[in-house]
Amino acid sequence: DAGVTQSPTHLIKTRGQQVTLRCSPKSGHDTVSWYQQALGQGPQFIFQYYEEEERQRGNFPDRFSGHQFPNYSSELNVNALLLGDSALYLCASSPLGPDSTHGYTFGSGTRLTVV
Amino acid sequence: AQTVTQSQPEMSVQEAETVTLSCTYDTSESDYYLFWYKQPPSRQMILVIRQEAYKQQNATENRFSVNFQKAAKSFSLKISDSQLGDAAMYFCAYSDYNTDKLIFGTGTRLQVFP
Repeated sequence: DAGVTQSPTHLIKTRGQQVTLRCSPKSGHDTVSWYQQALGQGPQFIFQYYEEEERQRGNFPDRFSGHQFPNYSSELNVNALLLGDSALYLCASSPLGPDSTHGYTFGSGTRLTVV
Repeated sequence: AQTVTQSQPEMSVQEAETVTLSCTYDTSESDYYLFWYKQPPSRQMILVIRQEAYKQQNATENRFSVNFQKAAKSFSLKISDSQLGDAAMYFCAYSDYNTDKLIFGTGTRLQVFP
């Protein structure tokens, strides 16, 4: 059973560019959340998608946007990249419901470096 | 706003010994979840243990157990019979009962020496 799959694993972008990160959730999971983990920090919640809509959002600017497809996979887009966007981006999937937090499965992340 | 604090940036333990990682949190909610996650060099966050705030009994998972003190807003993780494979970053996390958004602490790096 495949867990959460993220692509690419590493990425280098230039300041001002745009980037798209991809996530395939665990089989049976319909909710996808994205987290940003800066070096030496804990992950910070960016947003969550369910039924192809943004369900919750953390304290991130509008440069961060996302999308969820009918097959539950998701994309994270970041526009006008800043040096401070360099981080590990983690995707987590879960089955929505009262026990959804218990069901969180994380991917191995995409390491984004902005130069 | 809820916060999670881990005051130990690094801890070390000898193989087969016991180590305790500390975590405190702040919330005005009465119902919530607390978690310990392990992040090895592979970067994937792995759930170690979960505690529901309404349960007074401390959660245990094999060699891992917690000391949950609701009034003190403290949630420590005890690892017994430490193994080399336990070496990793450990993150304490909080979630409100009605949302599955996780709020993480800054982590504790655990080293295990043979």
